[in-house]
Amino acid sequence: AQKVTQAQTEISVVEKEDVTLDCVYETRDTTYYLFWYKQPPSGELVFLIRRNSFDEQNEISGRYSWNFQKSTSSFNFTITASQVVDSAVYFCALRRTSGTYKYIFGTGTRLKVLA
Amino acid sequence: GAGVSQSPSNKVTEKGKDVELRCDPISGHTALYWYRQRLGQGLEFLIYFQGNSAPDKSGLPSDRFSAERTGESVSTLTIQRTQQEDSAVYLCASSETAQEHYEQYFGPGTRLTVT
Repeated sequence: AQKVTQAQTEISVVEKEDVTLDCVYETRDTTYYLFWYKQPPSGELVFLIRRNSFDEQNEISGRYSWNFQKSTSSFNFTITASQVVDSAVYFCALRRTSGTYKYIFGTGTRLKVLA
Repeated sequence: GAGVSQSPSNKVTEKGKDVELRCDPISGHTALYWYRQRLGQGLEFLIYFQGNSAPDKSGLPSDRFSAERTGESVSTLTIQRTQQEDSAVYLCASSETAQEHYEQYFGPGTRLTVT
C-alpha cells in the first residue's frame, strides 16, 4: 500500500524565518514520483515540484528547496526567508510510474507566516 | 489559455437528492482526475480517466458515486442520494497524459453542502 504522511498539521513562523515542511512516504515500488503542491487561501492547488525516485539530488528554486532522501523515505520542503505570501496549505503527494496513475496525497501542512 | 473549469462553484442540496458536478479540462489534456477534500483534510482520490482506457475507479467511496467522461473532454461526477457526509469540496484536475509525469492542473472546485 502507498501512503504519505505529513505529521505537521500547522506551522506558524514569523516573516523571514526559515521553515521546513516534512513529508514521509511509504511505497513498495522501486520507482515512483513525488510532488509538492501549494493551496493558497484562494483554493486552487498549484504545482511546485516533481521528483522521480531515480534522482536524489536536492533541488533549489529561489527561496524553495527540496531534500529527497530515499534512505529515510522523506521528501522535505524548506522555505528560506519566509514571506506572508507563502501562507498556504502545502501537500506532498506520491504516484507510481506504472500500473495505476492515481496520486496519493498527504493531509497537508498549513503554514502561517506572520508579518 | 483557459484553465480547468468546474461548475457549479457552490451547490447546496437536501439529503437524499442527486447532484451532478461538471469539469471542463484543459483542451488537449487526456488525463482527468476527481478528488474530494473535506474541510481541513487532504485530497482524497476518487477516480481518473486516461484517454479511452478504462477509468481507475478505485477511490469511489460507494456505489452512490459515479463519473463519466465524454471522449477527452467534459466529465461529470454524479452523487446519488446525497448524505451529509458527502459535504466537501470536489476538485477536478487534468494533465496532458497520465502515463508521463506531467503536472496536474487543478480547477477551483465545487463546494457541495448537503443539508
